[in-house]
Amino acid sequence: AQKVTQAQTEISVVEKEDVTLDCVYETRDTTYYLFWYKQPPSGELVFLIRRNSFDEQNEISGRYSWNFQKSTSSFNFTITASQVVDSAVYFCALTGFINTGTASKLTFGTGTRLQVTL
Amino acid sequence: DGGITQSPKYLFRKEGQNVTLSCEQNLNHDAMYWYRQDPGQGLRLIYYSQIVNDFQKGDIAEGYSVSREKKESFPLTVTSAQKNPTAFYLCASKGGQRDYGYTFGSGTRLTVV
Repeated sequence: AQKVTQAQTEISVVEKEDVTLDCVYETRDTTYYLFWYKQPPSGELVFLIRRNSFDEQNEISGRYSWNFQKSTSSFNFTITASQVVDSAVYFCALTGFINTGTASKLTFGTGTRLQVTL
Repeated sequence: DGGITQSPKYLFRKEGQNVTLSCEQNLNHDAMYWYRQDPGQGLRLIYYSQIVNDFQKGDIAEGYSVSREKKESFPLTVTSAQKNPTAFYLCASKGGQRDYGYTFGSGTRLTVV
């Protein structure tokens, strides 16, 4: 069975602070994909990143960066110099590869609500 | 533009009535999914379909039904057997086996009174 744990339910920061959202996962698949999505108040899911299990390189995209560590089964997300527009719920998700066929199911964490204030 | 359309955005129903949520995609994706979102519980999988005329139960299928008569469409019916149907429902789709790009609709917020 797959499981994604986002232990931080809610985080509040002041604008320009850096913030890290934690994600820990469990899977028996040897090949898998990890995702981060942003959900603004309007409700739609905005795709942020996809990372496969063979690629442990950290990635940076503007103010966003991701730290993938297989040894600790973690895929943490850092926002540098946070802005009010970053306020949203952020979800980490996981899908396996083997034995799941074409419809690989996404397993989501419970989300972390980030509130950035002035 | 290609994407997923969920309608309506807001839906109100009386307790005991069945209601059908629409999900249409023009991405030519094979797989489609329905997720339910409740506050503090993340997204949970209700049903998914890998191909036309085929679908499987997800983690919380009780009280729901689906059909997949066309590749583009995957409607979800919330039946009167669903004990707590008020929630936010998201539809998603995915391309082929090697395609791990999921596309999500904008969601339907169902309120049962």
